[in-house]
Amino acid sequence: DAGVTQSPTHLIKTRGQQVTLRCSPKSGHDTVSWYQQALGQGPQFIFQYYEEEERQRGNFPDRFSGHQFPNYSSELNVNALLLGDSALYLCASSSGTGVGSNEKLFFGSGTQLSVL
Amino acid sequence: QKEVEQNSGPLSVPEGAIASLNCTYSDRGSQSFFWYRQYSGKSPELIMSIYSNGDKEDGRFTAQLNKASQYVSLLIRDSQPSDSATYLCAVNRYTGNQFYFGTGTSLTVIP
Repeated sequence: DAGVTQSPTHLIKTRGQQVTLRCSPKSGHDTVSWYQQALGQGPQFIFQYYEEEERQRGNFPDRFSGHQFPNYSSELNVNALLLGDSALYLCASSSGTGVGSNEKLFFGSGTQLSVL
Repeated sequence: QKEVEQNSGPLSVPEGAIASLNCTYSDRGSQSFFWYRQYSGKSPELIMSIYSNGDKEDGRFTAQLNKASQYVSLLIRDSQPSDSATYLCAVNRYTGNQFYFGTGTSLTVIP
């Protein structure tokens, strides 16, 4: 049973560049959420995709965008990179987005992004 | 006020002792509560979930929830050096499957 997979594992970019991160959810899961985790902090919610649409969004600027494909995999795009975007980007999968859902999140191993 | 607050520690306990980790949350509408363990350089790993008031035990781990006090805790009995990690408290609000995480408590178990 494949877990959540993310690629690449590490990435180095310079300010102003654009980056795309990829995620495949755990088998049987249809919902993908993206989190940003800065050093020494807890994960911060970026957005969530379900049925190929962005369903919820955290307090992140429009430079952060995403996409979900018919096979439930997802991409996170960040434009005009800033030094402050350096962080571990985590993809988490779950099943469904029902209100009051008690579904658990399962995380991938993350992509460590460094912006120079 | 942060959605989820944890004492960042570090918390040190001797091997075999009980480690107690605490978390408070701000939204009374929160429905489900989770504890994740994160080793340095790794991704968070789910260790406990709890949805109703009271205690829930799973092996050496016990989660405790008090919705009236908006308080969640995790007890680790017979602590082992392999339990040394950062423990993240996460809360899922009623408005959807959006999780809020605390900053984590760093635990060190001393052999």
